Amino acid sequence: EIVLTQSPATLSLSPGERATLSCRASQSVSSYLAWYQQKPGQAPRLLIYDASNRATGIPARFSGSGSGTDFTLTISSLEPEDFAVYYCQQRSNWRGFTFGPGTKVDIK
Amino acid sequence: EVQLVESGGGVVRPGGSLRLSCAASGFTFDDYGMSWVRQAPGKGLEWVSGINWNGGSTGYADSVKGRFTISRDNAKNSLYLQMNSLRAEDTALYHCARVTAMSAFDIWGQGTMVTVSS
Repeated sequence: EIVLTQSPATLSLSPGERATLSCRASQSVSSYLAWYQQKPGQAPRLLIYDASNRATGIPARFSGSGSGTDFTLTISSLEPEDFAVYYCQQRSNWRGFTFGPGTKVDIK
Repeated sequence: EVQLVESGGGVVRPGGSLRLSCAASGFTFDDYGMSWVRQAPGKGLEWVSGINWNGGSTGYADSVKGRFTISRDNAKNSLYLQMNSLRAEDTALYHCARVTAMSAFDIWGQGTMVTVSS
């Protein structure tokens, strides 16, 4: 089973600052890596798929990069609505999708 | 509007069973694989099970293998999760989610809560 590790667990930043979130896989997942945003009481929202492609309607301040085992989600300038928990997710085949433990981005 | 609506959750005793349903609308259901993802209170996301477009291929997390069964009825635009031998650790909000060709979950339902307690 592929294990995803996210760092940091919590990121305390101010609006307007740049956020850099990391996701590391225990073995290569090629580019099958997605990122989600979840706010309290809401379902997760897809931000990035295939490591670097923004989902429909996602603002350009969100970007993803990486391949193999190391991936990054960058929020170029935090807006008030961006404070949330972010999860990465990979798939190997129909027998395995896994999520990382999440990074909470909170207001400093 | 593209929408997924789950139902069937509730309170059940350990060892009991529940069947969750997910009604899809606003898209061609049999064009997509589907999955169930759960979230225990205050915890992260856990993929539970997935099924391809025609039900010919399924997968399960190790934590539910042998106890849960995923299925779908494309004629009814519906996804199901039969949960048997439920345990306290199965307590969670269960979401159904649409799986894209790129293996990401692009549409999510709001979830149905399952509580396993004596």
